[in-house]
Amino acid sequence: DMKVTQMPRYLIKRMGENVLLECGQDMSHETMYWYRQDPGLGLQLIYISYDVDSNSEGDIPKGYRVSRKKREHFSLILDSAKTNQTSVYFCASSSRTGGYAEQFFGPGTRLTVL
Amino acid sequence: GDSVTQTEGLVTLTKGLPVMLNCTYQTTYSPFLFWYVQHLNEAPKLLLKSSTDNKRTEHQGFYATLHKSSSSFHLQKSSVQLSDSALYFCALSDYAQGLTFGLGTRVSVFP
Repeated sequence: DMKVTQMPRYLIKRMGENVLLECGQDMSHETMYWYRQDPGLGLQLIYISYDVDSNSEGDIPKGYRVSRKKREHFSLILDSAKTNQTSVYFCASSSRTGGYAEQFFGPGTRLTVL
Repeated sequence: GDSVTQTEGLVTLTKGLPVMLNCTYQTTYSPFLFWYVQHLNEAPKLLLKSSTDNKRTEHQGFYATLHKSSSSFHLQKSSVQLSDSALYFCALSDYAQGLTFGLGTRVSVFP
């Protein structure tokens, strides 16, 4: 069963704390993505990973970093979280980048930074 | 750079009526267009996709035709159901960054 998983599903942190969001996929997809979704702003790409240790900034990378040490796992890290990073974060994966490749999304992580 | 425009933020309508959600795009590459649907508190899921000019593509009662001449990929359904209430995103694929999403159109269907 093709699946993208995200942990945790809900997270509350205080400003200045570090945050680790984890994503896994069981489809052996090369490409993985992190998006954030805010009301009225759609889905904004934070980072894209083309494979293990091959990551590239998306449209809004500031304040975030990523790690991909295994093809099936992709982590998003917020060092010293800020209140404006309160959002819903989605991870996605696709068999390749660009073209006709469908992206499969995880269930999302709702992060609140107080 | 690439961009996607969805002109309606919210569409409200009665069950059984037709709906059309607008999507236009800008790209310098050969376009690949997608519609994703997101139900409340769920992940976005692919609804349909196309890269063929002037060919209608259909899925789950929804249909869209890519028109390269007008850079459009409008989503339509002949008769909406209550279960169609959701957020709909039009998205454009490029070769480097994956998908560029529009801001989304929320559809609310009432009995």
